Amino acid sequence: GAGVSQTPSNKVTEKGKYVELRCDPISGHTALYWYRQSLGQGPEFLIYFQGTGAADDSGLPNDRFFAVRPEGSVSTLKIQRTERGDSAVYLCASRKGRGNTEAFFGQGTRLTVV
Amino acid sequence: DQQVKQNSPSLSVQEGRISILNCDYTNSMFDYFLWYKKYPAEGPTFLISISSIKDKNEDGRFTVFLNKSAKHLSLHIVPSQPGDSAVYFCAAGDTGTASKLTFGTGTRLQVTL
Repeated sequence: GAGVSQTPSNKVTEKGKYVELRCDPISGHTALYWYRQSLGQGPEFLIYFQGTGAADDSGLPNDRFFAVRPEGSVSTLKIQRTERGDSAVYLCASRKGRGNTEAFFGQGTRLTVV
Repeated sequence: DQQVKQNSPSLSVQEGRISILNCDYTNSMFDYFLWYKKYPAEGPTFLISISSIKDKNEDGRFTVFLNKSAKHLSLHIVPSQPGDSAVYFCAAGDTGTASKLTFGTGTRLQVTL
């Protein structure tokens, strides 16, 4: 597609439920990132995929968070047993290969846990 | 620890004047730096970048300056326009890890008429 697409744009869920957030990167971009942005903060790194594999998952806050990218394109961020503190905007970005090139962001998914 | 810092949460500038947004970093491994602009309910949009081998990069009205010895960079917007009103994020990366960007907390720029 023309840009990074994230669905849904908004998600409200009850505490304890499971959620999946989807990211469709720019076609041909091999690198894909997930970030989380809380109110008044900058985006914080969660996980990075190069192709199908998670090359760096050091930003995932705990084992309730998991992400996959089975075919090297679309990625899904999965959050189990959601907590109110998980409420944030989840941003996905893709980049063309390695090196110091810019990453292009999607519009984000606003997750609210009530 | 905040490795990338934007100490001014907000800035107001008159249309036509220069806007200067500042950013400091602590990690010596960072070797490329980017500025992103963000409007409400949208994702960050790439604006301009600079590699650590340079001290200046210019793109139209936007210029980024890098002072490696001071671990400081700045974004200059000249002349400022009302459409520049947004939140600006400074971000830094380490080519060696080829992965994550570390972002500052952002500066909200308002360009007034």
